[in-house]
Amino acid sequence: EAQVTQNPRYLITVTGKKLTVTCSQNMNHEYMSWYRQDPGLGLRQIYYSMNVEVTDKGDVPEGYKVSRKEKRNFPLILESPSPNQTSLYFCASSPTGGGRAGEQYFGPGTRLTVT
Amino acid sequence: QKEVEQNSGPLSVPEGAIASLNCTYSDRGSQSFFWYRQYSGKSPELIMFIYSNGDKEDGRFTAQLNKASQYVSLLIRDSQPSDSATYLCAVIRSGGYQKVTFGTGTKLQVIP
Repeated sequence: EAQVTQNPRYLITVTGKKLTVTCSQNMNHEYMSWYRQDPGLGLRQIYYSMNVEVTDKGDVPEGYKVSRKEKRNFPLILESPSPNQTSLYFCASSPTGGGRAGEQYFGPGTRLTVT
Repeated sequence: QKEVEQNSGPLSVPEGAIASLNCTYSDRGSQSFFWYRQYSGKSPELIMFIYSNGDKEDGRFTAQLNKASQYVSLLIRDSQPSDSATYLCAVIRSGGYQKVTFGTGTKLQVIP
């Protein structure tokens, strides 16, 4: 089954404790992206990747890191989480980038709470 | 001014009616436009994309793009209660970037 998977689905952590949210897709997609979704603010793009070893900042990259060492995986790293990073996080992938980057398949989401 | 704007709703329509959802964008050079549906507690799901001025139809859904007026709309014909969801408009802006910018979504309620 073609899908985007994320782990963990739920995470409660404390301020400053480094964490990684994994994302994997089995569709051989080139483009991958991370979003956070907050009430009243909608979906906001954190980082995106056009291909292996090629990443770029989205609209809200502060406090996050990403890497793309393999085509299928795109982990999101929070080096020192803070309470304002409490949010619902989605990973997404698209067959290709450019003007078609928005043809995305979304993962199930990770609900992160930072206390 | 927000880059992508949508009325948050809720938009209530009776079953069988046409639901019309609108989205405006600020970057005149934006090139690609997408509509997603998101049920409560679920992930967004792509339902339509449109790249050229005019209409694009897929089943009960029609996307309309007017670049001169900088708006894109989604029409849902014969609305069903199962269409009740939040509809998100997304845009890829100009400038060679591949950022995807979403509006905050319009909540649609289809009344049986």
